[in-house]
Amino acid sequence: SFVLTQPSSESVAPGTTATITCGGINIGSKSVHWYQQRPGQAPVLVIYSDTDRPSGIPERLSGSNSGNTATLTISRVEVGDEADYYCQVWDTSANRVVFGGGTRLTVL
Amino acid sequence: QLQLQESGPGLVKPSETLDLRCSVSGGSASSTSHYWGWVRQPPGKGLEWIGSIYYTGNNYYNPSLRSRAKISLDTSENHFSLRLTSLTAADTAVYFCASIRGSFRIFDSWGQGTLVTVSS
Repeated sequence: SFVLTQPSSESVAPGTTATITCGGINIGSKSVHWYQQRPGQAPVLVIYSDTDRPSGIPERLSGSNSGNTATLTISRVEVGDEADYYCQVWDTSANRVVFGGGTRLTVL
Repeated sequence: QLQLQESGPGLVKPSETLDLRCSVSGGSASSTSHYWGWVRQPPGKGLEWIGSIYYTGNNYYNPSLRSRAKISLDTSENHFSLRLTSLTAADTAVYFCASIRGSFRIFDSWGQGTLVTVSS
């Protein structure tokens, strides 16, 4: 079964760039979506189909996907970006949704 | 903008059955552009997909829960439901319902979530 691997945590200073990775075998051939979940809240879609942003999501958030790694990049990090971030794909071969384990972003 | 709201018991006894409902507003549960699904999150842990349903009734389930989970759709009352049987403490989690868009299964709207505790 398809597995998505994320680092458990990342820490960055305000104003710098955060890079959150999502690894999977040949993930570049799949469409990757990213969700932000603040404590006590439901997840929110922030990037879909590798690179697209829903309306209302700032341009500081961007995504890429190639080879065995998809990446969520947050530029000019703000304290409000502190949250858990999850990647997700649809595994067409098994007809199932797969989530990564999540990455906790801490803004120091 | 779709809005989703979960409802159901907050406390269930081990071995019993959980029934949750997700009410859909701002759109139709018979929409051809969306699937409807359930995701859960045990305390302090990550997201786990439970399953999804399309307006045709086609279902997809997490293999680890397929034997115990059933998702149904009531288009006349604009809601969908989750039934999970043979509960154990490991089923304690926040349960989210969500709308899912497109062939790549984008979870574009989520309910606020409801905490279900399995305990005697």
